[in-house]
Amino acid sequence: DAKTTQPPSMDCAEGRAANLPCNHSTISGNEYVYWYRQIHSQGPQYIIHGLKNNETNEMASLIITEDRKSSTLILPHATLRDTAVYYCIVKLTGTASKLTFGTGTRLQVTL
Amino acid sequence: EPEVTQTPSHQVTQMGQEVILRCVPISNHLYFYWYRQILGQKVEFLVSFYNNEISEKSEIFDDQFSVERPDGSNFTLKIRSTKLEDSAMYFCASSGRGGLAGAQSEQYFGPGTRLTVT
Repeated sequence: DAKTTQPPSMDCAEGRAANLPCNHSTISGNEYVYWYRQIHSQGPQYIIHGLKNNETNEMASLIITEDRKSSTLILPHATLRDTAVYYCIVKLTGTASKLTFGTGTRLQVTL
Repeated sequence: EPEVTQTPSHQVTQMGQEVILRCVPISNHLYFYWYRQILGQKVEFLVSFYNNEISEKSEIFDDQFSVERPDGSNFTLKIRSTKLEDSAMYFCASSGRGGLAGAQSEQYFGPGTRLTVT
């Protein structure tokens, strides 16, 4: 699986958009970009994933650059409950393939 | 909304004892996983399980570890002889089949079992 690079920490004011970047310059054509988050010591929570098109769901939007070497997770209106560690993971599709977690970005949402 | 459940939430055991951590995956999921997270460290993959056999395991998953799906709902992780360094949060996850050509869909995690070995 391709390696990802994320900033170690970011701050965001409540109500503003949080834009979390991820570099994955060695991504291959059949690898997806997945985003998970972990709030305190809870189990990781799936947020969104995509291959090459931008994706949006009720939690977030995922913007993937045309060359697929980087992506941005957007939380449109961050709340205090979005304070968490956010993980960008590149993963092959296929049966039972594992998630390889890095150190992620610690997002602190403040009043 | 269906969710992965894990029991117990916290297990304290003495070094050398056997422990069994239990998970109930989401009911229509086909792929099952165990991960662990030592305090302050990354989430690490242990093992994946599909069609009643191990699909992949990490170097951490040595002969002291085993997994089983004893019935249609439970998925267990057994550690035969616990060591101090096995103290960690253990997360179970499951995923279904989705997307093109039956590709694996996203993994959903349980709340974890905190294992403390003394």
